[in-house]
Amino acid sequence: EVQVVASGGALVQPGESLRLSCAASGFTFSSRWMSWVRQAPGRGLEWVANIKEDGTEKLYVDTVKGRFTISRDNAKNSLYLQINSLRVEDAAVYYCVLGGRADFWGQGTLVTVSS
Amino acid sequence: DAVVTQSPLSLPVTLGQPASISCRSSQSLVKSDGNTYLRWFHQRPGQSPRRLIYQVSNRDSGVPDRFSGSGSRTDFTLNISRVEAEDVGVYYCMQGTHWPFTFGQGTKLEI
Repeated sequence: EVQVVASGGALVQPGESLRLSCAASGFTFSSRWMSWVRQAPGRGLEWVANIKEDGTEKLYVDTVKGRFTISRDNAKNSLYLQINSLRVEDAAVYYCVLGGRADFWGQGTLVTVSS
Repeated sequence: DAVVTQSPLSLPVTLGQPASISCRSSQSLVKSDGNTYLRWFHQRPGQSPRRLIYQVSNRDSGVPDRFSGSGSRTDFTLNISRVEAEDVGVYYCMQGTHWPFTFGQGTKLEI
């Protein structure tokens, strides 16, 4: 059974940093692009970042470039999102997603940004 | 960015009746490889999105055949032939041709 389980969400203050993790199982992790997509409370979906199978190619939406870093550890079947300089508008449920075009979604992890 | 616009944003329907959602892109979604990366997702209240259809008209495994997708280039449609109670929620189209990939605003289907 395919599973992608995101974790690491928390209540943080503006300007702080956070690292989200995603544990993958049930498929060959090292053979698949992976993505992060977010959804602000009561809002629609926004793509955040993609990473190639071997980690050599990374894509970011402009609103997070320079602040977010996507990475992966294929030996641990894990995906990460390092979020720096958090802004109020970054508050959202962050979904770990299998595939470069969102084939399968796990449950998300909630990031709340408030002073 | 390729802007994706859905309509309607709210769709009240009657059980057993058909429903249709439109999705329009500001750019052609035909990629250089010849594929059209237009997908449909369904998000039930309190749940994560689930992919229904990929590359315009291909249904995912386990998706009932009452769901169908059609369209080309910039105009696409998701049709539900006979709405059932489990179909409630928000439907999103998504373009995966031009980076950054973008979603429509979502269409809330209500019984």
